[in-house]
Amino acid sequence: NAGVTQTPKFQVLKTGQSMTLQCAQDMNHNSMYWYRQDPGMGLRLIYYSASEGTTDKGEVPNGYNVSRLNKREFSLRLESAAPSQTSVYFCASSLLRGRGEANYGYTFGSGTRLTVV
Amino acid sequence: AQRVTQPEKLLSVFKGAPVELKCNYSYSGSPELFWYVQYSRQRLQLLLRHISRESIKGFTADLNKGETSFHLKKPFAQEEDSAMYYCALAGYSTLTFGKGTMLLVSP
Repeated sequence: NAGVTQTPKFQVLKTGQSMTLQCAQDMNHNSMYWYRQDPGMGLRLIYYSASEGTTDKGEVPNGYNVSRLNKREFSLRLESAAPSQTSVYFCASSLLRGRGEANYGYTFGSGTRLTVV
Repeated sequence: AQRVTQPEKLLSVFKGAPVELKCNYSYSGSPELFWYVQYSRQRLQLLLRHISRESIKGFTADLNKGETSFHLKKPFAQEEDSAMYYCALAGYSTLTFGKGTMLLVSP
C-alpha cells in the first residue's frame, strides 16, 4: 500500500503564480486534511474534509482553496502565491472523524516543500 | 478552545540519559492525546496513542488529567531517537498539534 501520496515533492513559484498540490490515499479513509509546517509554528491546519463532499476551514485558510474530488483525492490550490506561503505542506488522512470513535490517528504524506520567490 | 503546549523547542541529551518531552493540554472534555515523531525531512509518524497505553521504541506516555499533561518519557535515550516530536489533541473533527520539540541525542 502506498498510504498517502503527495505530488509534487518540491516546487518553486514566483509571486502571483498559481498551483495545485495533489494528495491521494488508498486506505479507504473518510477524512483528509491539509497542514502547513513552519519553523517554530508546528503544524497548522489549513483545510479539512471530514467526508466525501464536505470541506471546512482550519486555522489558516486564507489564500488557499481545496477540492475533495472523490473519497481518495483532496487537492490544495494556491490561486496567487505569496512569499508568506513558503512552507512545507502535509496532507493526512484518517479513518474516522475524530473523537469518541476509537481514533487511530492520522497517516501523513511525505510533504511538499514549496518556495515562493 | 483546545490547545496543546510543548514548552521546550529543543531538548539536548547524551546517549543513555533519561528523556522527558513535556506536553500540556487545554480541553474541556475528556482528552484523546497522541505523540507523533518526524525524523529528518520525513513524514510524521504516529508514535503513541494514550488510549492504547503502549510502549513504542521504549517510549511511554501517561495521561495526567489533574495536571493536564501527557509527557513522553524514555529511560535511556539512543542517537536514533533524534527527531522532532509533536504532541496532538483530538478535537471533534481534527487534531490540534503543539509546536513541537526537537530532541537531539549526542554520543
